[in-house]
Amino acid sequence: LAKTTQPISMDSYEGQEVNITCSHNNIATNDYITWYQQFPSQGPRFIIQGYKTKVTNEVASLFIPADRKSSTLSLPRVSLSDTAVYYCLVDRMNSGYSTLTFGKGTMLLVSP
Amino acid sequence: GAGVSQTPSNKVTEKGKYVELRCDPISGHTALYWYRQSLGQGPEFLIYFQGTGAADDSGLPNDRFFAVRPEGSVSTLKIQRTERGDSAVYLCASSPAKVAGERPGELFFGEGSRLTVL
Repeated sequence: LAKTTQPISMDSYEGQEVNITCSHNNIATNDYITWYQQFPSQGPRFIIQGYKTKVTNEVASLFIPADRKSSTLSLPRVSLSDTAVYYCLVDRMNSGYSTLTFGKGTMLLVSP
Repeated sequence: GAGVSQTPSNKVTEKGKYVELRCDPISGHTALYWYRQSLGQGPEFLIYFQGTGAADDSGLPNDRFFAVRPEGSVSTLKIQRTERGDSAVYLCASSPAKVAGERPGELFFGEGSRLTVL
C-alpha cells in the first residue's frame, strides 16, 4: 500500500493561506500525488494532482520536493466554505490499473 | 444529471437482510470504483471495474459482498446477510480512463448511499 501521513486537523482564519503537508516515504517512481476534498454528506472531490515540483490550478497549488517523499497542498486565502476534510493520496499503478488509498485526512476548520 | 448518481441515498435494513446499492456513472466513463466510508474514516477501496469486468476486487471484505456491471455502465453492489458492521456510506466513483493501464486522473464521486443495519 502507498501509505500517507498527514495532520489530523488544522485551524485557520478567513483570508489566510493554508498549507497542509503530507508525507509519503514509500512513494515509487511511477506514483503520482493526488489531493481530494470532502464536505459532510458528499463524496470526495478532486483538487489537484502532481508528480514533481509545482502544480497550480484555479483552487490550489501543490508543491513536491525533489525527493518526492512529501507534498504540500497550499490553499490561498481560505474562506469559511473551505472547511472540509482534505485527503492526500498516492496514485499507484498496480498490474496495469490505478489504486487510490485514502487515509484519515486532515480536517480543516476555517473560522471568521 | 451530469454527475455520478447513487441510489438509494439512504437505506435502513435489518440484520440478515439482502441489500442492493446502485451506481450510475458519468456517461462514457469506463472505469468505476466502489468505496466504503465509516464515520470518521477515509474511504476504503472495495472494487474496481474497467468496463464490464472487475479488475480488482481485493477490497471486498468477504464473500457476502458482490458487485456487477453487466453492460459496462450501471453497477450494483450487493450485500447478503447484512451485519451491523456493514453500516457505512458506500461511495461510487467513475473516471474516463479508457483502458487498464491508463491513469484515472480525476475520480468523480457520487454522494453515496448511507446504509444502516439495525
